[in-house]
This record gives sequence, structure tokens and C-alpha cells, in this order.
Amino acid sequence: AQSVTQLDSHVSVSEGTPVLLRCNYSSSYSPSLFWYVQHPNKGLQLLLKYTSAATLVKGINGFEAEFKKSETSFHLTKPSAHMSDAAEYFCVAHLPFNAGGTSYGKLTFGQGTILTVHP
Amino acid sequence: DTGVSQNPRHKITKRGQNVTFRCDPISEHNRLYWYRQTLGQGPEFLTYFQNEAQLEKSRLLSDRFSAERPKGSFSTLEIQRTEQGDSAMYLCASSLADRASQPQHFGDGTRLSIL
Repeated sequence: AQSVTQLDSHVSVSEGTPVLLRCNYSSSYSPSLFWYVQHPNKGLQLLLKYTSAATLVKGINGFEAEFKKSETSFHLTKPSAHMSDAAEYFCVAHLPFNAGGTSYGKLTFGQGTILTVHP
Repeated sequence: DTGVSQNPRHKITKRGQNVTFRCDPISEHNRLYWYRQTLGQGPEFLTYFQNEAQLEKSRLLSDRFSAERPKGSFSTLEIQRTEQGDSAMYLCASSLADRASQPQHFGDGTRLSIL
């Protein structure tokens, strides 16, 4: 079985300060990992993805994440928060299951972290 | 805009009624997924199509739920005899089929409210 755990349900930062959103995964396979962001009443937007290439992944809007296999972690960071970063963030694992040679790419989502940015 | 499109954006209906949602994926994407998201939770996988074939269904997809993708393009999700517990955001996503992990692109969802 695979699972994704986001360690904080809420994170609150001041504008201009660093952001850290924590994520751990559990899997017997080598996962592909993603971070998505969701603004209220909107769908999910891909921030970045890790697919076994470089362990430090850069995404959109200044976000980056580091894959650490020894810690089974994939934490999301940003050096300086902006008001527009306030949203809910999901850490997501793609653990391909081969059935007849076809990978269907089911995503497993973490519980989400709501980021609040104060002026 | 050529992203994933979902209609309607909101649906309010009485318990016991049938509802149908539509998803138009990104045109070159042959994989299409449906997810359900309840308040305060992450999305949960419901079902998946590759072209017109429905290849996987979650245990969350009771026999009141049916999804189709008749021509391998748009998809519909129907819920029959709706119940209060069906109230949720229903998200559609699409991706390219590839052995490497292709990101899924999401629509803005259909929010279902059961009165």
C-alpha cells in the first residue's frame, strides 16, 4: 500500500518570509511525486514534479522541492511568501501499477496544507 | 484556453434525483480520470479511462455511479438516486499515456450540493 502524509494541516507565514510545507510518502515502489496548488473553488494546478531525475526540483512561482529518499520526504519550499500564495497545497504520489504492461497512473493525495499569508 | 473543461460548475439538486456531469479533456490526452473531493480532504480517485476503455474503478464508485467516454474524447459521470453523502466537488483530469509519469491536468470541477 502507498500513502502520502502532509505533516501540517495549516501553515501561517508573513509576507516575505520563507515557506515550508512538509510531505512524507510511504511506498514499496519508487514514486513520482508532485505538488499541486488549489485556490478556492478552482481545480488543481501543477506546481512541480519529481520523476527520478534531479532530486531538487524547481517549479512555478518560485517554489521548489527536494526529494530525500532516505527520509522518504518531499518538502515544498519558497524563499519569500507572497500574498497570492495563499491557497491549499497537496502533495501527491504517482505509484505506477503495471497491469498487463499498462501504467494507469493513479494519484494518491495527501490531506492538504492550507497556507495563510499575513501582510 | 485549451485546458480541461467541466460542466456545469455547480449543481444543486434534491435527494433522489439523477445528475450528469461532463468533462472535456485536453484534446491530445488519451487518459481521463474522475476524482471526488469532499470538504477539507484531498481528492479521491474514482475511475480512469484510456481512450474509450474504462480500465479501473475505485470501491468509492457505487452502483449508483456510472462513467462513460464513448468516443474517447469527452466523458460523462452520472449519479443516480443522489444521496446527501454525494455532496462534493467532482474533479476531472487528463494526461498523456506514457510509461514515465505524466502529470495530470485538472479542470475546475463540478460542485454538487444535495438538498
